[in-house]
Amino acid sequence: ETGVTQSPTHLIKTRGQQVTLRCSSQSGHNTVSWYQQALGQGPQFIFQYYREEENGRGNFPPRFSGLQFPNYSSELNVNALELDDSALYLCASSLVPLAERTDTQCFGPGTRLTVL
Amino acid sequence: GIQVEQSPPDLILQEGANSTLRCNFSDSVNNLQWFHQNPWGQLINLFYIPSGTKQNGRLSATTVATERYSLLYISSSQTTDSGVYFCAVERYSGAGSYQLTFGKGTKLSVIP
Repeated sequence: ETGVTQSPTHLIKTRGQQVTLRCSSQSGHNTVSWYQQALGQGPQFIFQYYREEENGRGNFPPRFSGLQFPNYSSELNVNALELDDSALYLCASSLVPLAERTDTQCFGPGTRLTVL
Repeated sequence: GIQVEQSPPDLILQEGANSTLRCNFSDSVNNLQWFHQNPWGQLINLFYIPSGTKQNGRLSATTVATERYSLLYISSSQTTDSGVYFCAVERYSGAGSYQLTFGKGTKLSVIP
């Protein structure tokens, strides 16, 4: 069974640039969520994708957008980068349906983004 | 939104000691998970525990959903237990949508 993978591991960008982060879900999982973890904080929910559509969103501006592909891999895009976007970005996958879900969200190793 | 509070924020233990980490949440939840984050940032799921008690080796967890708290017990701590422990609660928001809300974590340092 393949776990959740993310790329790249580290990334350095400058303010105003755009960035794309990538995630491959765990085999068999069809739901992916993205989280932002600032230094010293817990992860914060950005959004979730299910069946290639956004299925829930946290308190993040529209310059944070995403895609989910038919193979359940996903991208997180951030436009007009700001210094406060520097964080660890985590991807998590899980299996739907949820009514009697007994599995967990499985997290990838994260991408550490630094905005200068 | 739902609030998740963890205590203590920091904990220093001598190797071999026991500890209890607490997680309080402000509203009813569908599920609760405990994670360990290693120094490289990887979140490792420890327990998926919406209610009741579970044990895995030296770790155990108890969730009392009606009183909105969960406890993580670490016995005979080892230096490899060091890291940040997060509690995260999950709520369904309809149409299959759900999200984890994390606490700020408990930073555990186990010294030899």
